[in-house]
Amino acid sequence: AQSVTQLGSHVSVSEGALVLLRCNYSSSVPPYLFWYVQYPNQGLQLLLKYTTGATLVKGINGFEAEFKKSETSFHLTKPSAHMSDAAEYFCAVTWNTGFQKLVFGTGTRLLVSP
Amino acid sequence: KAGVTQTPRYLIKTRGQQVTLSCSPISGHRSVSWYQQTPGQGLQFLFEYFSETQRNKGNFPGRFSGRQFSNSRSEMNVSTLELGDSALYLCASSFDKGAHEQYFGPGTRLTVT
Repeated sequence: AQSVTQLGSHVSVSEGALVLLRCNYSSSVPPYLFWYVQYPNQGLQLLLKYTTGATLVKGINGFEAEFKKSETSFHLTKPSAHMSDAAEYFCAVTWNTGFQKLVFGTGTRLLVSP
Repeated sequence: KAGVTQTPRYLIKTRGQQVTLSCSPISGHRSVSWYQQTPGQGLQFLFEYFSETQRNKGNFPGRFSGRQFSNSRSEMNVSTLELGDSALYLCASSFDKGAHEQYFGPGTRLTVT
């Protein structure tokens, strides 16, 4: 079955440190991959996406992710964490089937300390 | 351009009642999907609508239903509410049925007592 695994329900970093949030997927067909961020009492905001083409994708707020087919991974990184990055992050996958259904990981809460 | 709007933002209902949630997609977007978010089950797909037709449905009981209007606005209905239906219900819109970027609204927080 197609699925997404996010390693670590909580990740803590210091302000200015590297952010690395892990996402692995399981799919028998080429996936389309997304990272979303959710702030308290809000909906999901799209950070970045991978569909086809360049495997290193850049998103908003300085985030980027690299699609590695051999490792079935799509990890999210940011060189320098900011206090405003504290939120919950969701990795999601869909496929080129013409349907919109997203399958989400369980989420990773990013904590940023001063 | 205004984002996805959902009304109401908060709702409290009693077991056995029914509820209707509303979603207005981004102007020009024709595809609407609904998701349920709970602490225990996470984010789960409910349904997808395009051109007033339900194209896909998640693994939810028949108490969960929805529809889409000719202006692309969508509603979802939950009948005979159960305590386990307490959740954040998120609506997402997309430009077309073949597009993959989905833009989410702020959600409706439903509490069933």
